Amino acid sequence: AQKVTQAQTEISVVEKEDVTLDCVYETRDTTYYLFWYKQPPSGELVFLIRRNSFDEQNEISGRYSWNFQKSTSSFNFTITASQVVDSAVYFCALGGVYQKVTFGIGTKLQVIP
Amino acid sequence: DSGVTQTPKHLITATGQRVTLRCSPRSGDLSVYWYQQSLDQGLQFLIQYYNGEERAKGNILERFSAQQFPDLHSELNLSSLELGDSALYFCASSGGDRGGYEQYFGPGTRLTVT
Repeated sequence: AQKVTQAQTEISVVEKEDVTLDCVYETRDTTYYLFWYKQPPSGELVFLIRRNSFDEQNEISGRYSWNFQKSTSSFNFTITASQVVDSAVYFCALGGVYQKVTFGIGTKLQVIP
Repeated sequence: DSGVTQTPKHLITATGQRVTLRCSPRSGDLSVYWYQQSLDQGLQFLIQYYNGEERAKGNILERFSAQQFPDLHSELNLSSLELGDSALYFCASSGGDRGGYEQYFGPGTRLTVT
């Protein structure tokens, strides 16, 4: 069975601070896929990134970066110099080759101006 | 804009009634997923269809059913509605039927049961 744990239910930061959202996963598969989605207050879920289990290279996209560590089964998401527009609920998700995608419960990020 | 469309955007109905939610996937996507999001339950996977066939089932109640049509659009039917069915219902689509594909979500249908 797959499991995704997002231990931080809510985080508040002041604008321009860096913030890291934690994601820990469990799976017995050797091939699996990790995702992050963003749900802003408008409600629509937006796909941010997909990473497969064979690619541990960290990824940076503007102010966003992702740290994938198989040794700790973690796929953490860092926002650098946070902005008010980053306020949203962020979901981490895990999918297997033959298994559906499992979502974490989400972390609500509030960026205070 | 994800390319996934859902109608209606809002729906208000009474207990005991039946409603149908509609979803059109992104062009070229064969998989459609349905999710229910309520405040106390998070994002709950309901069901997946791939090219017209049911592919995976999650926490879907017997009062709920879905189908995917030959043109790949999908409908989620909710019957004998209860107050607890009030939630945001999302449809998502992806290019494949396995867990390795990213999903693109529609704007959701907000269902209020009174």
